[in-house]
Parts: sequence; C-alpha cells; structure tokens
Amino acid sequence: DAGVIQSPRHEVTEMGQEVTLRCKPISGHDYLFWYRQTMMRGLELLIYFNNNVPIDDSGMPEDRFSAKMPNASFSTLKIQPSEPRDSAVYFCASSLGQGRTDLTFAYEQYFGPGTRLTVT
Amino acid sequence: KQEVTQIPAALSVPEGENLVLNCSFTDSAIYNLQWFRQDPGKGLTSLLLIQSSQREQTSGRLNASLDKSSGRSTLYIAASQPGDSATYLCAVEGPNAGKSTFGDGTTLTVKP
Repeated sequence: DAGVIQSPRHEVTEMGQEVTLRCKPISGHDYLFWYRQTMMRGLELLIYFNNNVPIDDSGMPEDRFSAKMPNASFSTLKIQPSEPRDSAVYFCASSLGQGRTDLTFAYEQYFGPGTRLTVT
Repeated sequence: KQEVTQIPAALSVPEGENLVLNCSFTDSAIYNLQWFRQDPGKGLTSLLLIQSSQREQTSGRLNASLDKSSGRSTLYIAASQPGDSATYLCAVEGPNAGKSTFGDGTTLTVKP
C-alpha cells in the first residue's frame, strides 16, 4: 500500500481565500484523523471519523474549518476564509479500529506526509 | 481532559550512550500508547505501540514500557546513533476511543 496520501504538500494562499486539503487513507482503514501541528501548540487533533462518520470535532478551532469524508477512500479539510494564524502543517492519519472498544485491541495510527499551509 | 507531558524537552548525548525518554499522562483509562519519531519537516513514523493490557514492547534497539496505574511510559534507546537524532512523540489514546492526545515531544541529538 502507498500509505496515507495527502495533497497538496505545500499550499501558499492569501488571507481570505478558501483552502482545501485532501487525504486518501490506507485502504481498509476505518478511522481517519486530521491533525494540525504548530510550534506554539504542538500536534492537535482537529476531527476524526469512523466509517466515514464524524465522531469528534471538538478540536476544530472555529466555524471557518470544516471536514468531510464522502467515502472510505477520501476526506477533505476546508478552511474558509483562511487567516494567517491558520498557517501550520496539517496531517492526516488513518488506522484500523475494529474492536476498538475492547481494551485488548490496539491499532497503530499511520500518518501522511502532511500539508504545509502558509497564509499570507 | 487527557494531558500528556514529555520530559525532557531536549536531550543531547554522545554516540553509543543508552538513554531514556519519559512520557506521562493524567487519565489512566487508555486504550494504548504509541511512540512516534518525527524528522525535521517530515511526518510521523510509528515506532512502538503498547496496548493497554501490555507492559512493554521491543523493536530492535528500542524498548517501550507502560505503567498505566502511575500514568507513565518510557522509551529506552540502546547504543544511540547519530541517525537516531529526531523528535520523539508519545500519543495516548483514551479515555475516548479513537481520540489521541500527543505530548510536545523530546528532541534528541546524538553527537558523533
């Protein structure tokens, strides 16, 4: 498998523009995570999906951020309108989570290479 | 709310030394703990995953331990090499299934 695929790898945009980040999880994985990494705040979980359904979006900073997972092989994270403080590296990760409620099961998260977003 | 702390924030050692990285978490109701490595400008690479029911995992020169009751994990690196230089992050899943909290990482420099 090619691993988790993210696009674009780098994005530079002006304040106020819409930004869409894309992710293709590892085939067969049923959990998908979006993270943001900055020097100030470290790695933060924004939202995660299970079987294409958003489970917890409490980490989404504000209404300007939205995420969708229309099918098991694709997810988007959209920022509209973008602001300079959104500049960060955005990571997508996936894992296989069947049986996750059983504490004897544990599944690794596999991360994509990230999208470095710069908003000027 | 789960909180994860990693100490030290940075560590510099000469090549060949054995070293220990520490990770502590506040809520012991976890599903698993995962150690990652991140090279500058790169994504995260999984090193070891310890299930809630396990006490340790080993991979090559790496050994990770987990003490749920005290909320601690350690990553032991034997015979360190310059190629081990990177930032090491621990992530705890729980108490909510699927939700992981990351520490800020320990940046390791191994000098030749």
